[in-house]
Amino acid sequence: GAVVSQHPSRVICKSGTSVKIECRSLDFQATTMFWYRQFPKQSLMLMATSNEGSKATYEQGVEKDKFLINHASLTLSTLTVTSAHPEDSSFYICRVQGPGETQYFGPGTRLLVL
Amino acid sequence: GDSVTQMEGPVTLSEEAFLTINCTYTATGYPSLFWYVQYPGEGLQLLLKATKADDKGSNKGFEATYRKETTSFHLEKGSVQVSDSAVYFCALEPSKAAGNKLTFGGGTRVLVKP
Repeated sequence: GAVVSQHPSRVICKSGTSVKIECRSLDFQATTMFWYRQFPKQSLMLMATSNEGSKATYEQGVEKDKFLINHASLTLSTLTVTSAHPEDSSFYICRVQGPGETQYFGPGTRLLVL
Repeated sequence: GDSVTQMEGPVTLSEEAFLTINCTYTATGYPSLFWYVQYPGEGLQLLLKATKADDKGSNKGFEATYRKETTSFHLEKGSVQVSDSAVYFCALEPSKAAGNKLTFGGGTRVLVKP
């Protein structure tokens, strides 16, 4: 069964609204989660590293005030796209580091901003 | 910086055909190399990995050899099945000190027809 879940799986929103995406680790506690975005036919781009109990570490070029990350517990990290615009439309994927440094990926969330 | 380049898809094959997906990388030092697979509607799953030069990773009939002299990690399978239809991602992890930051190629969609 799934080890990492994401909710919602897809979301459509109006420009200017904020959207929250959840990533849950179902079978183990995770102190570190990673957020990626993927454009059509392109690679996964690391956006930020989410650390439980501390501020997220953002990659160069990623606006931290635009993409708010909260690692509220050892099993939940949220990514909030604030004041979304059409150019934020993308596929957002979380990755969780499990026991023995095994990496698990969520199924992804497709965001469409109209 | 580090980068991964893999052949663009889609790759369409008949069942029992031979599959090769080329992957080359650019990195300093001695990265670990991975192939991930994403089946429709699911998250990325680790397919195989190699952590040092000349290592061969293998799983489910797939193989890839870490070639440092050609900076390559090509994926091969001798006889594909319809169930192998998926998107395949080549990735590298520069070092443990990099905090498990995976760098991905663009993905190659493979479609196997009966």
